[in-house]
Order: sequence, then structure tokens, then C-alpha cells
Amino acid sequence: AQRVTQPEKLLSVFKGAPVELKCNYSYSGSPELFWYVQYSRQRLQLLLRHISRESIKGFTADLNKGETSFHLKKPFAQEEDSAMYYCALSSYNQGGKLIFGQGTELSVKP
Amino acid sequence: DSGVTQTPKHLITATGQRVTLRCSPRSGDLSVYWYQQSLDQGLQFLIQYYNGEERAKGNILERFSAQQFPDLHSELNLSSLELGDSALYFCASSPGRGGLYNEQFFGPGTRLTVL
Repeated sequence: AQRVTQPEKLLSVFKGAPVELKCNYSYSGSPELFWYVQYSRQRLQLLLRHISRESIKGFTADLNKGETSFHLKKPFAQEEDSAMYYCALSSYNQGGKLIFGQGTELSVKP
Repeated sequence: DSGVTQTPKHLITATGQRVTLRCSPRSGDLSVYWYQQSLDQGLQFLIQYYNGEERAKGNILERFSAQQFPDLHSELNLSSLELGDSALYFCASSPGRGGLYNEQFFGPGTRLTVL
């Protein structure tokens, strides 16, 4: 079964500290992985997709097929990074629907 | 604003009632997706339409139905409402049928409260 697991409900760090938001997935096939961010119950915004290998707002994520993980990292957290972060899995063969993890709330303290 | 729009923003209704949520996709996008966000279930995919036709279905209840019209806007109908249907309902759109290069753009959501 397709599944996305984000083991941490809440992650609290101080400004300037490194951040790693964990995401593990289970999927039989070639997954398409994304990170979405939601600020204060606003609309979800795409942060990263695994194929692009780019850095957005200082965040990066690497797909590790061996460990079936797609962890989100940032070397130095900023207060404005405080938000809900959702890892999501997609499959073109199933219409491109997104399967979301439960989300991790990141709180960056001054 | 050429992004995804949803109306209404908030909806308060009673158990047993029926409501309709409306979504207008981004200009040019052919796919519309509906998601439900609740505290206990998280974000769950409900249904996808592509150019007027149903393309994929998630764990959508039989009491719920959706359609996409020729002008590509979509409506999600929720009937015989229960307390547990209270949630934030998001609509998203994308240019094609789905896939890696087919980013989904989300609307602001409709907050449904069933009393």
C-alpha cells in the first residue's frame, strides 16, 4: 500500500539551528515525492519536488530509494520557517493524486 | 487573481443538510482535485476530474459527489452531513492529468462546520 510517514508531529528548534524534517514512504514503483508547506492554515504551497533537485528558501531534500526516505533539511532555521510541512507522494498512473503524510509542525524560536 | 479560487470561505450548517462547495481552477488548468483536511484524518484525497471526466477516486464517501463543468469549474456536493464531516476542503488544479511535472496549485479552502 502507498503510504507516507512523518514521524514527528512537532519539531521545535532555535533560530540558526539546523533542521531536518523526516519523511518515509512505501510505494511499489517509482514514486514522485514532494514537500508542501502551509503557513497559518493558509493554502498549501509546493516547496520542493524530488526531480528538480533545487533549493527553495534554503531547503533541500534528497530522495533515498534504499531507505525510502525524502527528508527535508535546512542548515540554519529562520523564524519565518515556522509552518506545517507535508511530505507527499504521487503516481501518474493513479491520476496524480497526492498522498500526504500527517504533517510536521515546525516551530522556530528566536 | 488568476490562482485557484474557492467559495464560500466558511460554511456553517446542521447535521442532515446538504451543501455545495465551488472551485475555479487556474486559467488553463484541466485537472481539478478535491482534498479534505481534518484534525484526525489529516489531508486526504477525495476525487480528481480531468477535462470534465472523473480520473481518480480516493476514499470519498457515497454521500459526497463532485462534477466538473464545461467551463472547468468544479463543485463538491456533500449531503446528509454528519458532525465528522466538519473539515477544511481544499481544491487544487494542475495543467494535465497528473505527474511529476504537473504541479498542483491549491486554493484557500472552504471551512465547513457541521453543528
